[in-house]
Amino acid sequence: KAGVTQTPRYLIKTRGQQVTLSCSPISGHRSVSWYQQTPGQGLQFLFEYFSETQRNKGNFPGRFSGRQFSNSRSEMNVSTLELGDSALYLCASSLARAATGYTFGSGTRLTVV
Amino acid sequence: AQSVTQLDSQVPVFEEAPVELRCNYSSSVSVYLFWYVQYPNQGLQLLLKYLSGSTLVESINGFEAEFNKSQTSFHLRKPSVHISDTAEYFCAVSPNRDDKIIFGKGTRLHILP
Repeated sequence: KAGVTQTPRYLIKTRGQQVTLSCSPISGHRSVSWYQQTPGQGLQFLFEYFSETQRNKGNFPGRFSGRQFSNSRSEMNVSTLELGDSALYLCASSLARAATGYTFGSGTRLTVV
Repeated sequence: AQSVTQLDSQVPVFEEAPVELRCNYSSSVSVYLFWYVQYPNQGLQLLLKYLSGSTLVESINGFEAEFNKSQTSFHLRKPSVHISDTAEYFCAVSPNRDDKIIFGKGTRLHILP
């Protein structure tokens, strides 16, 4: 079956712009989580959605937001981009609970210039 | 709050030698524990997980990890590494009442010829 699909793979944006990243989970997976990966901070949890509801949230500013659709696909949005938002954004899906194990997508590499 | 400490940011080891990647966690509740591997330019892949039962868990490619509750550790071991094991390895924890997985900062495994 198809894995977790993230689009686009690469993105270059200018400071102050906004960006939307997309994630299609594995068919049947209802939980989608988002992580930011940087060399200095490692993997930082952004948020998790389950059945269109945000179930968990990390410690990121309100510029970072997300949503999940009825088909479990998820989007995350970052408004007013800053240079420090440059990172690899990873999406992960699981059947219901994170403890069953995530399946990760290949990520979206965002560069803010 | 839960946290994960990977004591070594990089581990060099000769091919066919044994390796241990160390991981300690802090949590006030029972936890689920994971090891993920990230190959260059890819997302993370689940290597193995401990949910309950036997404290020794194994992966299909020769890695094993042992859950030690008294030492709050979940070290990853392999008796003989191959060049294909070159990757970054992440230890992770999830409280079994939560659906957020917290990752350590990763250990980069360098296999020397």
